[in-house]
Amino acid sequence: DAGVIQSPRHEVTEMGQEVTLRCKPISGHNSLFWYRQTMMRGLELLIYFNNNVPIDDSGMPEDRFSAKMPNASFSTLKIQPSEPRDSAVYFCASRSGTGISGNTIYFGEGSWLTVV
Amino acid sequence: SQELEQSPQSLIVQEGKNLTINCTSSKTLYGLYWYKQKYGEGLIFLMMLQKGGEEKSHEKITAKLDEKKQQSSLHITASQPSHAGIYLCGAETVSGTSYGKLTFGQGTILTVHP
Repeated sequence: DAGVIQSPRHEVTEMGQEVTLRCKPISGHNSLFWYRQTMMRGLELLIYFNNNVPIDDSGMPEDRFSAKMPNASFSTLKIQPSEPRDSAVYFCASRSGTGISGNTIYFGEGSWLTVV
Repeated sequence: SQELEQSPQSLIVQEGKNLTINCTSSKTLYGLYWYKQKYGEGLIFLMMLQKGGEEKSHEKITAKLDEKKQQSSLHITASQPSHAGIYLCGAETVSGTSYGKLTFGQGTILTVHP
């Protein structure tokens, strides 16, 4: 398996610009998670999808953040407009099954975002 | 929402020493995951525990789940420099119609001196 694939791996952007992070989950997985990791706040769950449907987006910081999953093999996390405090590592993760399935959750390598 | 507290926050040990990392939940644990992370990299799955009293081992790492105490421990025997990294516990929760949500503790930074 190719694993969870994220792009870009690194992005440096100017404040106010739109940022789009992309994720391809493992084929056959029907749950997808977006996390943000910072030194101060640790690993925070932003949103997760089951069968392409957003289940819980209570972790999305504010309206500047949006996530979509148009099909089972692709998801995006968009920040518009970006701010310096959005600088973090953004992880995408996926697993088979929904709910408390007990199946392993696999993480991508992360997208390192720096907003200057 | 689920609150997971890990202790200690950081740990420095000499190679060969045993160590334990704890993860305590404020809510009922339905599934407890342990991951390891190296700086600049993604999370590597170590183990998942579901049942109270369950214990799993992989090489020199053992994890246990105490359902009554809502706590899990990760024990490393005869630590090696390769064990160094950040250890994160994650737990699944059920809240209303929101299920299968996986949240994490703050992590424990492990340093192993040769």
